[in-house]
Amino acid sequence: EPEVTQTPSHQVTQMGQEVILRCVPISNHLYFYWYRQILGQKVEFLVSFYNNEISEKSEIFDDQFSVERPDGSNFTLKIRSTKLEDSAMYFCASSGGRALYNSPLHFGNGTRLTVT
Amino acid sequence: DQQVKQNSPSLSVQEGRISILNCDYTNSMFDYFLWYKKYPAEGPTFLISISSIKDKNEDGRFTVFLNKSAKHLSLHIVPSQPGDSAVYFCAASASGNAGNNRKLIWGLGTSLAVNP
Repeated sequence: EPEVTQTPSHQVTQMGQEVILRCVPISNHLYFYWYRQILGQKVEFLVSFYNNEISEKSEIFDDQFSVERPDGSNFTLKIRSTKLEDSAMYFCASSGGRALYNSPLHFGNGTRLTVT
Repeated sequence: DQQVKQNSPSLSVQEGRISILNCDYTNSMFDYFLWYKKYPAEGPTFLISISSIKDKNEDGRFTVFLNKSAKHLSLHIVPSQPGDSAVYFCAASASGNAGNNRKLIWGLGTSLAVNP
């Protein structure tokens, strides 16, 4: 079964540094997402992306965050200047269609980001 | 933000018995509900969903019930198997008439242990 793959599985960075989290969505999917889960807290929506632009973003997704689909296969999340509170598990997801009823989100295994 | 609540952090059942996982929501705009299962070190995996126009959806051993008036849904697993041991997340979306893939609002999850 096709999978969403994320790299790296664990990233440690110092506060103030830039990080790029990488995702390869399922190949025929058109909708892409980033979610995160801070330890002990709920999974939170960050951003959705379709047709090379952001379709929706949360209040968490401030100017420090950006997403890009640099080629036909990768989908990246960049955090420009990491803060301690950015430490979380970041999940990439993709879906094939617009409607939830026939296109549920498929998630990758996540990247654990630790900011020290 | 407590729009989706899973009040039981954990549940333990015997193999072969029924597992019932509960979820409550507060936002009456939610019109699509999903259950995801998550094993350690993996991303959430879609399990089953239900639209607000239905009150029941069944897929093999998994059945989701929706009580709109009570803003409550439940996931039934019968018979439960040891491989079902995982964290189960309830998620909801206000998809709108077009059923658009919108951001998912998640509960905190319930850790299910199925004992042999």
